[in-house]
Amino acid sequence: SQKIEQNSEALNIQEGKTATLTCNYTNYSPAYLQWYRQDPGRGPVFLLLIRENEKEKRKERLKVTFDTTLKQSLFHITASQPADSATYLCAWNSGNTPLVFGKGTRLSVIA
Amino acid sequence: GAGVSQSPSNKVTEKGKDVELRCDPISGHTALYWYRQSLGQGLEFLIYFQGNSAPDKSGLPSDRFSAERTGGSVSTLTIQRTQQEDSAVYLCASSHQRGRAGELFFGEGSRLTVL
Repeated sequence: SQKIEQNSEALNIQEGKTATLTCNYTNYSPAYLQWYRQDPGRGPVFLLLIRENEKEKRKERLKVTFDTTLKQSLFHITASQPADSATYLCAWNSGNTPLVFGKGTRLSVIA
Repeated sequence: GAGVSQSPSNKVTEKGKDVELRCDPISGHTALYWYRQSLGQGLEFLIYFQGNSAPDKSGLPSDRFSAERTGGSVSTLTIQRTQQEDSAVYLCASSHQRGRAGELFFGEGSRLTVL
């Protein structure tokens, strides 16, 4: 069955650097990949969606890429700030399947 | 309302009791999802409602779990004869997309603790 994996449980980076988070999937290419942010004790908040026929999507300091050859999506936060510290979740679905979430990567941006 | 509303925010119950968790989605959203999140785990899909269609119950872990959605709006997730492994945060989400591809708007969750 399809699995989605976020390789790092936790990532620490220095303020001002670019944070890069990885999401890998097995088997077939999902039609959509989504990225969410979750703060402690809160529900996830949608950030970006990328379709399988799109290579890249941007929104302000955020960028998502989708590489169907590598079966991978990368999520970048440029000029990171301590306020970006949170858990970031990737999720996939294909057509009629429910959104399947990875376990998330906890990002800490150190001032 | 402005967002997805869930109640109660916290529920402590004794093993064997039944619990009901409520979700009030964003007005006009036709799709409603229930997920649960255990400590250190990802979100686990439970059930999906879309308009008047039959719900997708494929994620419900046992027959002790059930959910209904009345009038295409408010949903209630019921867990009968609760067990300690049911302890988790139960998250509800809604979407305005008719298909599964849309972004989900989550509530803040109901934290269930079974003693």
